[in-house]
Amino acid sequence: GENVEQHPSTLSVQEGDSAVIKCTYSDSASNYFPWYKQELGKRPQLIIDIRSNVGEKKDQRIAVTLNKTAKHFSLHITETQPEDSAVYFCAQLGGSYIPTFGRGTSLIVHP
Amino acid sequence: GAVVSQHPSRVICKSGTSVKIECRSLDFQATTMFWYRQFPKQSLMLMATSNEGSKATYEQGVEKDKFLINHASLTLSTLTVTSAHPEDSSFYICSAGAGDQPQHFGDGTRLSIL
Repeated sequence: GENVEQHPSTLSVQEGDSAVIKCTYSDSASNYFPWYKQELGKRPQLIIDIRSNVGEKKDQRIAVTLNKTAKHFSLHITETQPEDSAVYFCAQLGGSYIPTFGRGTSLIVHP
Repeated sequence: GAVVSQHPSRVICKSGTSVKIECRSLDFQATTMFWYRQFPKQSLMLMATSNEGSKATYEQGVEKDKFLINHASLTLSTLTVTSAHPEDSSFYICSAGAGDQPQHFGDGTRLSIL
């Protein structure tokens, strides 16, 4: 079945540093890859997504890269700020239209 | 603003009580909605796929008689936790989206069974 592996599970950085979270997937039919940010006790919120016809997408300090050949995609956050601290989930969507989520990465940005 | 509304946000009740959680898509029609359970510091565990006008599709290990799902309209799905017990205490969250479009999540329901 569809599977998404996410690493690292915890990421601790200093304010201003960059943070990178990586996910790998197994379903070659996957064509949509969203990233969600979840603050404690709140709902996951979509922060960026990418479709299989592009290799990179940027939105201010956030970027996502996709390597379909290697079946992995990554979230890049530059100039991190304390308010970036949260749990980040990657997900993939394939032909079944049922999203599969990674296990999450707890990002801690130290001021 | 929110495009998916989930109620209630918090429920505290006695063991044996049945609890109904509502999930509404506010500005789009959702033929499919998803119900998740989330334990502290863990990922979203898909419980079932709610299909408008037909039976829900449950994931392996999820008891369909325990977690009743009804998707009677294109904008509303409900999850009823029947005869809830302390082990059912968790954070339940729904999402909705159309086809290969982004999923939008409700605010979640924190269920505490005493």
